[in-house]
Amino acid sequence: DSGVTQTPKHLITATGQRVTLRCSPRSGDLSVYWYQQSLDQGLQFLIQYYNGEERAKGNILERFSAQQFPDLHSELNLSSLELGDSALYFCASSVAGGSLNEQFFGPGTRLTVL
Amino acid sequence: GENVEQHPSTLSVQEGDSAVIKCTYSDSASNYFPWYKQELGKGPQLIIDIRSNVGEKKDQRIAVTLNKTAKHFSLHITETQPEDSAVYFCAASKGDYKLSFGAGTTVTVRA
Repeated sequence: DSGVTQTPKHLITATGQRVTLRCSPRSGDLSVYWYQQSLDQGLQFLIQYYNGEERAKGNILERFSAQQFPDLHSELNLSSLELGDSALYFCASSVAGGSLNEQFFGPGTRLTVL
Repeated sequence: GENVEQHPSTLSVQEGDSAVIKCTYSDSASNYFPWYKQELGKGPQLIIDIRSNVGEKKDQRIAVTLNKTAKHFSLHITETQPEDSAVYFCAASKGDYKLSFGAGTTVTVRA
């Protein structure tokens, strides 16, 4: 158990809908990262927050957004969902903000868009 | 951006034998190279990492080597056991918050 929690574990929804994925980092970790894992794209970095502020963006679509709250938990919002958004979404956390710090991954949320 | 290639995509080894996974990276500025193990239904778990000022690092049955000149790094698992069966990912970073992952290697240890 990495200490990173993600909810829900599974999510099934329809095209055009909007969903919110939630992540709680390990106790003491200030940085949260979101990744998407799909069969064709592999593990792709989406976005990172550090102590409430956006720190870095990767291959994140404009339909997706995220935020980190004062209690350091983070939410990833996916809107206007398409079939291709079906994937595993992982949250990871680290103590500090740089990726030289070990990132601990949560168990993921499996999103299925029908 | 950084491009990480990983080979092989699948690897089957007899229990007790060694397994080697190789990765190459494109950005010479990359300086951090972690390896993750992902078991079915779980998130990736860091098993070992190496920084650019080190050529080799060992942790029990696992070792990683780095050749900065050739821009490649490798994971070595010795005396493989059934619990080593999983998907392994290499990654590279130049300290800019972003990890770039390889495509993964599915390792199967045959009893």
